Amino acid sequence: QSALTQPRSVSGSPGQSVTISCTGTSTDVGGHNFVSWYQQHPGKAPKLMIYDVSQRPSGVPDRFSGSKSGNTASLTISGLQAEDEADYYCCSYAGSVVFGGGTKLTVL
Amino acid sequence: EVQLVESGGGLVKPGGSLRLSCAASGLPFSGYSMNWVRQAPGKGLEWVSSISGSSSYIYYADSVKGRFTISRDNAKNSLYLQMNSLRAEDTAVYYCVKPLRGYGLLDVWGKGTTVTVSS
Repeated sequence: QSALTQPRSVSGSPGQSVTISCTGTSTDVGGHNFVSWYQQHPGKAPKLMIYDVSQRPSGVPDRFSGSKSGNTASLTISGLQAEDEADYYCCSYAGSVVFGGGTKLTVL
Repeated sequence: EVQLVESGGGLVKPGGSLRLSCAASGLPFSGYSMNWVRQAPGKGLEWVSSISGSSSYIYYADSVKGRFTISRDNAKNSLYLQMNSLRAEDTAVYYCVKPLRGYGLLDVWGKGTTVTVSS
């Protein structure tokens, strides 16, 4: 299965909102609601931020939100903070597990 | 608190073998499927393999099928990955990952163990 498509990089200033897209096909992102998002800081293990398209695990700030339209899922981070600077990966987990290529978020 | 601790990584020559281990604590280990996910240097995440709680169901990525074998010992709360016929492209950090539910909803990650395949 092909990797999901994410922009290589996005950026925003503190306090602003940014959205990261994740495009798949009707057999993965578009075919179900099993989409998750992971945050990874350099040298650290990934952390689950969003699951089932829009659900937040306990402890994840509500500044992080997820949505989906057709074959594209999105992660929106509002009220950007310096500590949000990291790599973000989307993932489809129905049947097989497929990741996006990752997006580097820079907080200006 | 759930903890996953990987071990067994190292430097191995192409064609060689290595066995990774993951020690789990803080969870009813046999009640969860488990996963291995890897990340090559400077690259993205790649799912490698999954195993059900009872070891009845096992899945592999095409890139490792026939070369890697996942297994578990529920009595020891441990997960394993036997890696044979290693290639340079297998060089990566290998993470042991517990799902929130099912297989692929990856919830708790270990810190990872580094595998380097080089002559």
